[in-house]
Amino acid sequence: DTAVSQTPKYLVTQMGNDKSIKCEQNLGHDTMYWYKQDSKKFLKIMFSYNNKELIINETVPNRFSPKSPDKAHLNLHINSLELGDSAVYFCASSLSRAGELFFGEGSRLTVL
Amino acid sequence: DAKTTQPPSMDCAEGRAANLPCNHSTISGNEYVYWYRQIHSQGPQYIIHGLKNNETNEMASLIITEDRKSSTLILPHATLRDTAVYYCIVRVNTDKLIFGTGTRLQVFP
Repeated sequence: DTAVSQTPKYLVTQMGNDKSIKCEQNLGHDTMYWYKQDSKKFLKIMFSYNNKELIINETVPNRFSPKSPDKAHLNLHINSLELGDSAVYFCASSLSRAGELFFGEGSRLTVL
Repeated sequence: DAKTTQPPSMDCAEGRAANLPCNHSTISGNEYVYWYRQIHSQGPQYIIHGLKNNETNEMASLIITEDRKSSTLILPHATLRDTAVYYCIVRVNTDKLIFGTGTRLQVFP
């Protein structure tokens, strides 16, 4: 079983649409993250949740709204998609805020 | 911003040791040195981390200088599957992980 799984793996959509990416971890970890990797391959943290509580929000536009229904899930909803949102989005989890991160395989979002 | 400096790229022959350097001259006493790698199109993978002492695990060894201003990640017997971008990151234990530009390691036959 995949430890950190993201769906969908690929997403192609039009500007202005709303889309969601889902993430689930089966490691029993308390902390989950969303990272964005742009076309220049820079990996930037977006959000972090610890026990369903938001602890990091890196000045991401409020069109991005993370939701953690439980400790094992952290979903990312994006409203009014823009061309610049095209990127690979990685979900990750760690046992605690101090632990090493386990990353998912990424979700490649392409906005046309 | 990342607090580390790494060479943009390195080559290594298969079977030889790959030594990847990292400078972190402004590291604080409570900051750990972490290494991750990203194999093409995959999610980053944790390799190893340390505070002051040298560390070794099944993947690699981490050598930290006595003044902690630099470190070296050693892959003892590089294989083609070790071709990846390697990120050196300094981090207070509970702080966010900030990735820099990393070193692109190319292992050749």
